[in-house]
Amino acid sequence: QVQLQQSGPGLVKPSQTLSLTCVISGDSVSSNRAAWNWIRQSPSRGLEWLGRTYYRSKWYNDYAVSMKSRITINPDTSKNQVSLQLKSVTPEDTAIYYCARHSPLESAVPGSRAFDIWGQGTLVNVSS
Amino acid sequence: DIQMTQSPSSLSASVGDRVTITCRASQSLSGYLNWYQQKPGTPPLLLIYGTSSLQSGVPSRFSGSGSGTDFTLTIRGLQPEDSATYFCQQSFTKPPWTFGQGTKVEIK
Repeated sequence: QVQLQQSGPGLVKPSQTLSLTCVISGDSVSSNRAAWNWIRQSPSRGLEWLGRTYYRSKWYNDYAVSMKSRITINPDTSKNQVSLQLKSVTPEDTAIYYCARHSPLESAVPGSRAFDIWGQGTLVNVSS
Repeated sequence: DIQMTQSPSSLSASVGDRVTITCRASQSLSGYLNWYQQKPGTPPLLLIYGTSSLQSGVPSRFSGSGSGTDFTLTIRGLQPEDSATYFCQQSFTKPPWTFGQGTKVEIK
């Protein structure tokens, strides 16, 4: 079965870069059906989609407008993983970060997609 | 961005009750509405996708309905293990994908 295993530091200092990795097993980061997303969750912002990467003959990225100047999501085909980098973090970036697969699912609604597989989550605290 | 509004924010119900959670979108979703269940310390779990399709392995007491901007998650015969927070999420056309703020279900 498909599993996503996250890793990365739980504590990042303000102004530094948050870096997380999500290793994919049971599927391919180069899948031409799935997209690989980062989502975070905090009491103040709830569940917040940050961005995605996906392969459809070439690589594409989409990012939340609020993140666009600070975020990079990269695939690594040699390790079958996807990474998140968030620059210039502040305490407001404290959250649980999840990677998640956005996948097409058969439904009466053609083209239905949902986050069907999630990583275990990484609590990242931004503090000096 | 499409805004998602859930109600109520929390509810308390007894085992065996029927529970209804509502999700309203700021524009029509053409059915691209999903529901998730989240228990403390775990990631969200997909329950329902495409308004009413049950994800594999999810008990049949969970069902979804709706159209346009208004959608409903129903739990028929509430069980103790259904104590959780439930989120709606839209996957209409293109990102940003957005979530409702959540409904916490407590068992009396």
